[in-house]
Amino acid sequence: DQQVKQNSPSLSVQEGRISILNCDYTNSMFDYFLWYKKYPAEGPTFLISISSIKDKNEDGRFTVFLNKSAKHLSLHIVPSQPGDSAVYFCAAGQTGANNLFFGTGTRLTVIP
Amino acid sequence: GAVVSQHPSRVICKSGTSVKIECRSLDFQATTMFWYRQFPKKSLMLMATSNEGSKATYEQGVEKDKFLINHASLTLSTLTVTSAHPEDSSFYICSARERWQGLIPYQETQYFGPGTRLLVL
Repeated sequence: DQQVKQNSPSLSVQEGRISILNCDYTNSMFDYFLWYKKYPAEGPTFLISISSIKDKNEDGRFTVFLNKSAKHLSLHIVPSQPGDSAVYFCAAGQTGANNLFFGTGTRLTVIP
Repeated sequence: GAVVSQHPSRVICKSGTSVKIECRSLDFQATTMFWYRQFPKKSLMLMATSNEGSKATYEQGVEKDKFLINHASLTLSTLTVTSAHPEDSSFYICSARERWQGLIPYQETQYFGPGTRLLVL
């Protein structure tokens, strides 16, 4: 049972434009969420996180939005750069629990 | 962010041999580390949770006698793939949890190692 879903396996965006990556979850007990970026043959790199008490968190070019009622979060990257091309995983966790639940990833390609 | 290293980065071995993978947290102490496996074009699959000084907790379907985990110190966890077979070929990634307190306590960020590519011939 996939508790965290990324329904778009891939996304292509022109350099300079906004990239929007989406993530849905089913477990209402999740209370914090993270985005990771992964290059081939490397471990994921932490990008940004958000607690369920907030609906937005911003860090430089990266902004994560959380819509709890819809059980949906999104990662906005603006402006997109070619170096942003990677696979992006969203993850969800529950305070006090051990593990994170990961989505299946979205491959972002930023076209120069 | 916190740094996690993994060694080796790549290993090729013959079927039937055992392979040990090390995971180290370099600039923080990790009471909990995690071992993941990633299949091609698939998400990360949690194999087990490694707790310092105690037995690992394995996810359903993961053979604990085949994937031995030892968390001997606050900065080192090892995964040993015993009697490896070609179907064990995969990309193994460890992570370590850094505990931080936001407005809600104990929301943790996991930092990942660079991964180990295992190829069993």
